[in-house]
Amino acid sequence: SQQGEEDPQALSIQEGENATMNCSYKTSINNLQWYRQNSGRGLVHLILIRSNEREKHSGRLRVTLDTSKKSSSLLITASRAADTASYFCASITSGTYKYIFGTGTRLKVLA
Amino acid sequence: NAGVTQTPKFQVLKTGQSMTLQCAQDMNHNSMYWYRQDPGMGLRLIYYSASEGTTDKGEVPNGYNVSRLNKREFSLRLESAAPSQTSVYFCAISGLDEQFFGPGTRLTVL
Repeated sequence: SQQGEEDPQALSIQEGENATMNCSYKTSINNLQWYRQNSGRGLVHLILIRSNEREKHSGRLRVTLDTSKKSSSLLITASRAADTASYFCASITSGTYKYIFGTGTRLKVLA
Repeated sequence: NAGVTQTPKFQVLKTGQSMTLQCAQDMNHNSMYWYRQDPGMGLRLIYYSASEGTTDKGEVPNGYNVSRLNKREFSLRLESAAPSQTSVYFCAISGLDEQFFGPGTRLTVL
């Protein structure tokens, strides 16, 4: 399977804590993106990091990329109950238009 | 400006029946995709179309066919539905650096 893997599969934290989730992928990539999905709805784009970047920030989100290990991490700081959702990474294979999604991390933030 | 629309929202089929899932976009993007999402499996790519007139297989194309009717529309056809095709199907389009998703079609095959 080409599908990437994410860990943990599920994460439960208290409001105000930080949440970290990790993603591994299998191919050479143009860029890697993170998406959020609320309860069976369509995915929504959060942030993109290009293959020549190591770290990117957007508001409370911080993403890192290590192409030598084919891995990425997403950090959500000062989490809120509204952050409760599933989070997916998507790697975009070099030279193609193919997006390969990871298996996802289900985040639950307790108020 | 609806973005990406999918029809139908829900469908129940009997084994062996056929159906077509429709996807349309009003964002004028070239690339369109069909995914399926099963519990605990994330999204798996079925087929994609990089531009009008082209289609390519993804990870799980068996049992499906697609048609890129024009730049706006990309349909997914199940010729003979099987219980293993019970899933939520998402259509997506690709801009420069992100994908935009439709609301999904929940398909149950009995």
